[in-house]
Amino acid sequence: KAGVTQTPRYLIKTRGQQVTLSCSPISGHRSVSWYQQTPGQGLQFLFEYFSETQRNKGNFPGRFSGRQFSNSRSEMNVSTLELGDSALYLCASSLAAGGVNEQFFGPGTRLTVL
Amino acid sequence: AQKITQTQPGMFVQEKEAVTLDCTYDTSDPSYGLFWYKQPSSGEMIFLIYQGSYDQQNATEGRYSLNFQKARKSANLVISASQLGDSAMYFCALKEPYFGNEKLTFGTGTRLTIIP
Repeated sequence: KAGVTQTPRYLIKTRGQQVTLSCSPISGHRSVSWYQQTPGQGLQFLFEYFSETQRNKGNFPGRFSGRQFSNSRSEMNVSTLELGDSALYLCASSLAAGGVNEQFFGPGTRLTVL
Repeated sequence: AQKITQTQPGMFVQEKEAVTLDCTYDTSDPSYGLFWYKQPSSGEMIFLIYQGSYDQQNATEGRYSLNFQKARKSANLVISASQLGDSAMYFCALKEPYFGNEKLTFGTGTRLTIIP
């Protein structure tokens, strides 16, 4: 079974631009969660999607948004980029069939904002 | 209060020795899950081991075992016979069972370096 894939792996943008990151979950997994990892703040939860609906959202400004498609693939968008958005963005998928499920992570997208 | 606390920012261990990475957690839910992930320099988070709050036995996965002490709210990861490839960041994470919640709360991590 293929793992979680994320594209692109690396991205360089300038302040004010917007960016879209993509995540394809493990086949059969319906939940996709996004995390931001920075040296200063560590790993922080952004949001979670299940069956094309956002179920949970972390404490991030509205510039951060996402969506999920019918095939469970998810995209994350950041508008009006700021220097502080430079981070590793990790996507995780899980079955979300109830109970406490394992989450499997993708390789991440490393975003650099200049 | 921090939900997950990892008090060891860094550890150096001789190859082939066992190592224990500490993790304490805070939750009022009787049902929860605890995870350990390994993150090498490449960035990918690799799932290592899981412990459910109602599991009677400590979880084990190959060289990894979890020393789960529920009353003390600790879930320490034990790596036996450490190898050079074990050098990485290690994160402990808590999952609380709110309906539809897949969110993981992570600790700050421990950087483990294995010395040949």
